[in-house]
Amino acid sequence: ETGVTQTPRHLVMGMTNKKSLKCEQHLGHNAMYWYKQSAKKPLELMFVYSLEERVENNSVPSRFSPECPNSSHLFLHLHTLQPEDSALYLCASSQGGAGGDTIYFGEGSWLTVV
Amino acid sequence: GIQVEQSPPDLILQEGANSTLRCNFSDSVNNLQWFHQNPWGQLINLFYIPSGTKQNGRLSATTVATERYSLLYISSSQTTDSGVYFCAATGGTSYGKLTFGQGTILTVHP
Repeated sequence: ETGVTQTPRHLVMGMTNKKSLKCEQHLGHNAMYWYKQSAKKPLELMFVYSLEERVENNSVPSRFSPECPNSSHLFLHLHTLQPEDSALYLCASSQGGAGGDTIYFGEGSWLTVV
Repeated sequence: GIQVEQSPPDLILQEGANSTLRCNFSDSVNNLQWFHQNPWGQLINLFYIPSGTKQNGRLSATTVATERYSLLYISSSQTTDSGVYFCAATGGTSYGKLTFGQGTILTVHP
């Protein structure tokens, strides 16, 4: 138990569906992140939120839409995805945004696009 | 941005053996972490170690920041140590922009 909880753990969706991934952190952290892990590729940073403001969008297609309603919750809204978007999506949090803090990851959400 | 390289890519051990995993990085870092990814995908923090040496049970890590590398030592390996080990680093004042290495796949046989 890392203090970062992701739901659902597994999701299968069609290319025309709209779904959302949810992340909640119970650590009192100020920054939250979405990372993507595809087969045979290193983990890639997608989005960074610090104090509920997006501070980083790492050239992610618009079919991925993040939302951070407060410092404890982070969503990733998914629509009209492609099969190549199938991957493990990992949420993470840290105390601050200066880069020098330990980052804690959730258990991940396995996404399959059919 | 910062580059992170890990070696070896694969490692196979017999239970009880010791091992060393290496992480090289291309620039100065203010965050370096080692993770173990379990078969269910979760990344488990092992060490936060931008410099110096730390130990936690059978695991220890050393980062020599001036020479831009970090080492993870696993002693008396167990089958439960199997999985993928990642090194990740952040340089400058980036907001948690961890750059991950490709990982080392460790298999420990009984």
